[in-house]
Amino acid sequence: NAGVTQTPKFQVLKTGQSMTLQCAQDMNHEYMSWYRQDPGMGLRLIHYSVGAGITDQGEVPNGYNVSRSTTEDFPLRLLSAAPSQTSVYFCASRGRRERNEQFFGPGTRLTVL
Amino acid sequence: QQQVKQSPQSLIVQKGGISIINCAYENTAFDYFPWYQQFPGKGPALLIAIRPDVSEKKEGRFTISFNKSAKQFSLHIMDSQPGDSATYFCAASKSGGSARQLTFGSGTQLTVLP
Repeated sequence: NAGVTQTPKFQVLKTGQSMTLQCAQDMNHEYMSWYRQDPGMGLRLIHYSVGAGITDQGEVPNGYNVSRSTTEDFPLRLLSAAPSQTSVYFCASRGRRERNEQFFGPGTRLTVL
Repeated sequence: QQQVKQSPQSLIVQKGGISIINCAYENTAFDYFPWYQQFPGKGPALLIAIRPDVSEKKEGRFTISFNKSAKQFSLHIMDSQPGDSATYFCAASKSGGSARQLTFGSGTQLTVLP
């Protein structure tokens, strides 16, 4: 199993540009989440999904969109990038059998100029 | 509102020493308290977790101490090793609903000197 994969690893955007951060998992997990990590602030939940076709907002959803058309994929879209979205983004997944443990991807480091 | 407060922000310990990281929470509905370990350039990974029905859980050199009345929990790393140098996050979640999302502390950067 590859676990949770994220692409790209690094990305530089200009203010106003849009892009999609990709996340995929091959563990057949029902639950998937997106977090952003900023210095001194830990990880904050952006959006999450409890299954294909079902998404909901987390703590800091503004400026981001998600969709979940398949169990495996959970892309995060930045519609119009802003410097405040400069961060490291982590995707995570969790299955029913793993109870509470979330498995994190390696992260995408995004810089918005 | 920061629901999980973590301290210290950074910690330097000599090899063989004890590392202690503390967290305090506000929401009494939290019923699952994990610690995650993150190495540079990697995603966080579950290290150890505890539920509030026990006061302590030990796995190897890592121990969680839990004080329900004080709403505090801490991670103790015994015989700290340079390989333990990483960022540690405490977290909390509550049951109910289907998501059981985590609320994280701000993180502690641990450096173990050889």
